[in-house]
Amino acid sequence: SQTIHQWPATLVQPVGSPLSLECTVEGTSNPNLYWYRQAAGRGLQLLFYSVGIGQISSEVPQNLSASRPQDRQFILSSKKLLLSDSGFYLCAWSVTTGGTETQYFGPGTRLLVL
Amino acid sequence: AQSVTQLDSHVSVSEGTPVLLRCNYSSSYSPSLFWYVQHPNKGLQLLLKYTSAATLVKGINGFEAEFKKSETSFHLTKPSAHMSDAAEYFCVVSSDSNYQLIWGAGTKLIIKP
Repeated sequence: SQTIHQWPATLVQPVGSPLSLECTVEGTSNPNLYWYRQAAGRGLQLLFYSVGIGQISSEVPQNLSASRPQDRQFILSSKKLLLSDSGFYLCAWSVTTGGTETQYFGPGTRLLVL
Repeated sequence: AQSVTQLDSHVSVSEGTPVLLRCNYSSSYSPSLFWYVQHPNKGLQLLLKYTSAATLVKGINGFEAEFKKSETSFHLTKPSAHMSDAAEYFCVVSSDSNYQLIWGAGTKLIIKP
């Protein structure tokens, strides 16, 4: 069966510091991968998605970036964090069956920028 | 363009009573629809999905949802609430462009003992 891992679970970082969040998927090949952010009390915002190694699409202009160095690894980064980057970051992978794409989520990383 | 509206930001029910979480969508084609649940400080878990195979969809933990095209609704129900159902629930519709999901704002379900 497929599993998705995210780490760290919680992170407290000062403003202006760099960021690296990692997501890995097991039990599937060539998945579509996604990074979402969930601000407190709000819905999900799609940040990036990837359909393959080295292929990244950005949905929202910001100081974040994403990379996919391996098939089942998706990394979210920033060179300098802003206060507004605080939130709950969720990684997801998807599978398409019968023409329907379904996304499955990792446990998330809670980021607090101070 | 697609959109999703969850009509209630909070729903409070007593344990053992029915649950109804309302969701309306707009779409120019026949969409796929999903309900996800998020327990406090946890990731999102897929409850159920509608993919045009059957209008009444059964999910995990006793939840089900009915797709009503004429009403553009996909309400989530459960006959009898349990304390463990306390969580936030998101209604989601697929977009007409690839890789996009349109998310509702969420409904917090509160279960009173």
